[in-house]
Amino acid sequence: GEDVEQSLFLSVREGDSSVINCTYTDSSSTYLYWYKQEPGAGLQLLTYIFSNMDMKQDQRLTVLLNKKDKHLSLRIADTQTGDSAIYFCAETNQAGTALIFGKGTTLSVSS
Amino acid sequence: DGGITQSPKYLFRKEGQNVTLSCEQNLNHDAMYWYRQDPGQGLRLIYYSQIVNDFQKGDIAEGYSVSREKKESFPLTVTSAQKNPTAFYLCASRDLGYEQYFGPGTRLTVT
Repeated sequence: GEDVEQSLFLSVREGDSSVINCTYTDSSSTYLYWYKQEPGAGLQLLTYIFSNMDMKQDQRLTVLLNKKDKHLSLRIADTQTGDSAIYFCAETNQAGTALIFGKGTTLSVSS
Repeated sequence: DGGITQSPKYLFRKEGQNVTLSCEQNLNHDAMYWYRQDPGQGLRLIYYSQIVNDFQKGDIAEGYSVSREKKESFPLTVTSAQKNPTAFYLCASRDLGYEQYFGPGTRLTVT
């Protein structure tokens, strides 16, 4: 069935780059998404990538997509303490009616 | 300001009582969603509605009910049949694209 996998934790120092990885199962997904959740809050859409793209850059964020390996990554350059949050990867389901989310990666940034 | 509102932010109920969580959006989005979030579990889809007066069960619909009488509103009722109702509940909406926009969430505690 459809599934999205992420590592659960990542710890980095302020100023370093963070790379959060995700694997997905549905090769027909049209879009893949990254969401950010701060403590006690809802999810905020960070960025997304169309399935026919390999890379998308948006300021400090770089998304890489490897369709052959069904692997998606989010790179955050110059990570700041304000980037500490849970990051969710999501793909569209086969019917295109809903998103399937990974369990989330908790990013901890130390100064 | 356009957005999704969920009320209340915190809700406390006694076991055996039904409780209704509110979700309102003024984004003119057709589709709306309810998710449940538990620590380490990511987001799990409860119900979704793509159009007024129509809704579908998600992955964990047992013990929940919804209605969609108006485009702007998608309330979720947590019934006494839901065995573990304590969780963080998130509402989302979607327009023509696939990306979903989330409300701030309601934390329900049942004792």
